[in-house]
Amino acid sequence: QTVVTQEPSLTVSPGGTVTLTCASSTGAVTSGYYPNWFQQKPGQTPRALIYSTSNKHSWTPARFSGSLLGDKAALTLSGAQPEDEADYYCLLFHGDSWVFGGGTKLTVL
Amino acid sequence: QLQLQESGPGLVQPSETLSLTCTVSGGSISISNYYWAWIRQPPGKGLEWIGNVYFSGSAYYNPSLKSRVTISVDTSKNQFSLKLSSVTAADTAVYYCGRQPFGSFDYWGQGTLVTVSS
Repeated sequence: QTVVTQEPSLTVSPGGTVTLTCASSTGAVTSGYYPNWFQQKPGQTPRALIYSTSNKHSWTPARFSGSLLGDKAALTLSGAQPEDEADYYCLLFHGDSWVFGGGTKLTVL
Repeated sequence: QLQLQESGPGLVQPSETLSLTCTVSGGSISISNYYWAWIRQPPGKGLEWIGNVYFSGSAYYNPSLKSRVTISVDTSKNQFSLKLSSVTAADTAVYYCGRQPFGSFDYWGQGTLVTVSS
């Protein structure tokens, strides 16, 4: 059973920068895992932010960016805003199925 | 604007089969390079990918649910469906449908809460 691991919680100051990471139990995350990132606020449907490592959707704020960092996928938020407080999930492709990470609760404080 | 809407019973008896349908509007389900997916989220917990289906009918499943899940597509109705058999309380969750262009995931339905209880 593949496990995808994210930081359970992180805190960032308003205007600050924070990086969330996403690791796979199968080994180093590469572009072939097509990392996706999602934001979910309380009581809302998840919203897609990043696909295929670093590509943004038309609605993704410019302050979000995706990359590979060492052996993990990463989501960087530069210039955090209060409205960025949310849960963030990564999603990785493994063979013929997809696996979500457990999520990171991001606090802007 | 593409829209997806889940529908189905909100309450299912233990050991029965959960059945949900996702209706796609504002676009065709029969489009190349797009998969149609089901995801769930138990109350207060994280997201779980259940599986997806191509308009041809080819389906892929989460290995941990594969023995109980069937995802199918009805192109004439622009719909795709989820069946999950032998449900228990652990299957209580908000169930979402969504669109998965290959390598990506963009549009989501609003989600529907399904409770497994007698």
